[in-house]
Amino acid sequence: QKEVEQNSGPLSVPEGAIASLNCTYSDRGSQSFFWYRQYSGKSPELIMFIYSNGDKEDGRFTAQLNKASQYVSLLIRDSQPSDSATYLCAVNAPQGGSEKLVFGKGMKLTVNP
Amino acid sequence: GAVVSQHPSRVICKSGTSVKIECRSLDFQATTMFWYRQFPKQSLMLMATSNEGSKATYEQGVEKDKFLINHASLTLSTLTVTSAHPEDSSFYICSARSSLGQETQYFGPGTRLLVL
Repeated sequence: QKEVEQNSGPLSVPEGAIASLNCTYSDRGSQSFFWYRQYSGKSPELIMFIYSNGDKEDGRFTAQLNKASQYVSLLIRDSQPSDSATYLCAVNAPQGGSEKLVFGKGMKLTVNP
Repeated sequence: GAVVSQHPSRVICKSGTSVKIECRSLDFQATTMFWYRQFPKQSLMLMATSNEGSKATYEQGVEKDKFLINHASLTLSTLTVTSAHPEDSSFYICSARSSLGQETQYFGPGTRLLVL
């Protein structure tokens, strides 16, 4: 059973702080890792993807991947109230040539003004 | 780029009727589309993987005769909920993956189904 684990939270941070979201995965064969943001009542929106070990930065967002530890994280710098949402970690699961994503249950983030 | 649309955005129907939901990739070709369902305060649940020109692959526990999937072109997949019942009320979301071999999935805005 391929699994993706996230702390269920909720996580609450003050405006301007760094929010750190973590995710672990069980399938060592996974090669692609994604972070999605989902506002209440809306569908997921892609924030970042990462394929290689290390850090990948995009604006206020940094994704970190450590394949040896099977760990991927998302850092949000200078958090804004508009960042309040549920963040979903997703990992590809190669399966019979038709790859699908396995999603974590999501971490709800609240950024307080 | 990478825009995925869904239609309708919201549907209310009587128990026993069938409902068709369309998923379109607007600015790219998608060899693979995915259908998810999400109940309130729960995570996404993959229902099936739809490959253009072939039969869909359903996840364990998803009835293929109840949730009919058709992926007739590289930009359109449809999900038909047949003989819908109140327990089928949910948020149905499709995603599409580019035919260029990238693994990123782009999600449609979702369809909220309410079966009375």
